[in-house]
Amino acid sequence: QSVLTQPPSVSGAPGQRVTISCTGTSSDIGAGYDVHWYQQLPGTAPKLLIYTNTNRPSGVPDRFSGSKSGTSASLAITGLQAEDEADYYCQSYDSSLSAVVFGGGTKLTVL
Amino acid sequence: QVQLVESGGGVVQPGRSLRLSCAASGFTFSSYGMHWVRQAPGKGLEWVARIWYDGSNENYVDSVKGRFTISRDNSKNTLYLQMNSLRAEDTAVYYCARDQGRSGYYPSNYWGQGNLVTVSS
Repeated sequence: QSVLTQPPSVSGAPGQRVTISCTGTSSDIGAGYDVHWYQQLPGTAPKLLIYTNTNRPSGVPDRFSGSKSGTSASLAITGLQAEDEADYYCQSYDSSLSAVVFGGGTKLTVL
Repeated sequence: QVQLVESGGGVVQPGRSLRLSCAASGFTFSSYGMHWVRQAPGKGLEWVARIWYDGSNENYVDSVKGRFTISRDNSKNTLYLQMNSLRAEDTAVYYCARDQGRSGYYPSNYWGQGNLVTVSS
């Protein structure tokens, strides 16, 4: 069981907006640790999508955005495209475990 | 460009040992923290271990503490993961990943291609 909780799956039609939540505790996100998001296409290594809660690495479209509040964070994807179909993971740090922690992952299906 | 190339994976019997390597190029290896992250077949990502840029500090997920050791040789630009007393549940693709900072407290913006370790009799 993952320390950070994500919905197993979300879906949306092309052009729509979807959000993926990442819920933590007072030991991780709630303690002020940053949240990062990764996109993993089938059969490939993860790719950094959002870092430090809201920042996009160069080359990541502005259709992807991140936010954080309290013990949770969210990834929003607007203008859904077929190539967005992938698994998405949130990541933070847990001070009680002294460990980096990931969410269980969310599979995005573009209908 | 930044490259991380893992090697050393394969099939190993339960209880045996294996050492993974990750050869880094395209950046100043000795300036960055490094991580090992694994992914069991059909499952999500699991962080395994991290090491500071100079090798002075390491952290591990509870499930591998006392069995796995992360290390690095900055003169060879190589990261290692020594895995002892392997169990079936260690079966996974193992990725090495470069931290954005020196101490492994930042996200990983570069990843290797992954290396499959299968623990089976």
